[in-house]
Amino acid sequence: DGGITQSPKYLFRKEGQNVTLSCEQNLNHDAMYWYRQDPGQGLRLIYYSQIVNDFQKGDIAEGYSVSREKKESFPLTVTSAQKNPTAFYLCASSTNDRGYGYTFGSGTRLTVV
Amino acid sequence: GESVGLHLPTLSVQEGDNSIINCAYSNSASDYFIWYKQESGKGPQFIIDIRSNMDKRQGQRVTVLLNKTVKHLSLQIAATQPGDSAVYFCAAGGRSQGNLIFGKGTKLSVKP
Repeated sequence: DGGITQSPKYLFRKEGQNVTLSCEQNLNHDAMYWYRQDPGQGLRLIYYSQIVNDFQKGDIAEGYSVSREKKESFPLTVTSAQKNPTAFYLCASSTNDRGYGYTFGSGTRLTVV
Repeated sequence: GESVGLHLPTLSVQEGDNSIINCAYSNSASDYFIWYKQESGKGPQFIIDIRSNMDKRQGQRVTVLLNKTVKHLSLQIAATQPGDSAVYFCAAGGRSQGNLIFGKGTKLSVKP
C-alpha cells in the first residue's frame, strides 16, 4: 500500500543535541512538507520542497534544517538552535497540482529531556 | 495575509445527534477545500473535499457545504458516534494559491 511513514514515533532530545526526524513516502508525490503542532494549536509550516534538491522555508524555519536528496525522502533536523523543540511534528506529501490535498504521516513526538 | 479560521475551538454533542463544524476562509482565489480528522497522537486523515464549482458534497455520514459568497464552509456529521471524537480542521487551497492554508481546528467531544 502506498503511504507516508514517519519515524521514530517518539524521540527524546537532550539539551544542545541535534536530532533528525525521518519521513519517507512511496506515493510518487513531488512535494513534501514539515509541520509543527503544539497542544491546542494548528499546523505551522516549517519547510517544504516541491522538487528534489530544492526546498523553501516556511513560517517557522529558524532552528530547523532539511534536505531533499531523493524524491521519496525529506528528513528534518531539529538543531540545538531551536530553543523550544518539544512538539508534535507532522510530515506530509502531495502532488504539485494545487488542486489536491495532502497526505499526512502519523507524526513524531519530540520531547526535550 | 491569508487565513482560515474556525468559529468554535470546541464542540460537545450527544451521541446520535448531528454535528456541525464551521470554517471561514479569507482568500477569494481559493477553489479547493478539504476537511481532516485528527485523533489524539495521530496524523490528520482526509475526510472529504469540495471544489468551488460545487455547493455541497456528501460522503458516508458526512456532508460539506460551501458558501463562496461569504467564504464559509461547514462539515456536517450525521448521527455522531464516540469514534467521531477528534479534532477537525479545514484547509483551503487551489491552483492559483500557494500551499494549503490550515485552520486551527475544532475539538469534537461526543457524550454517550
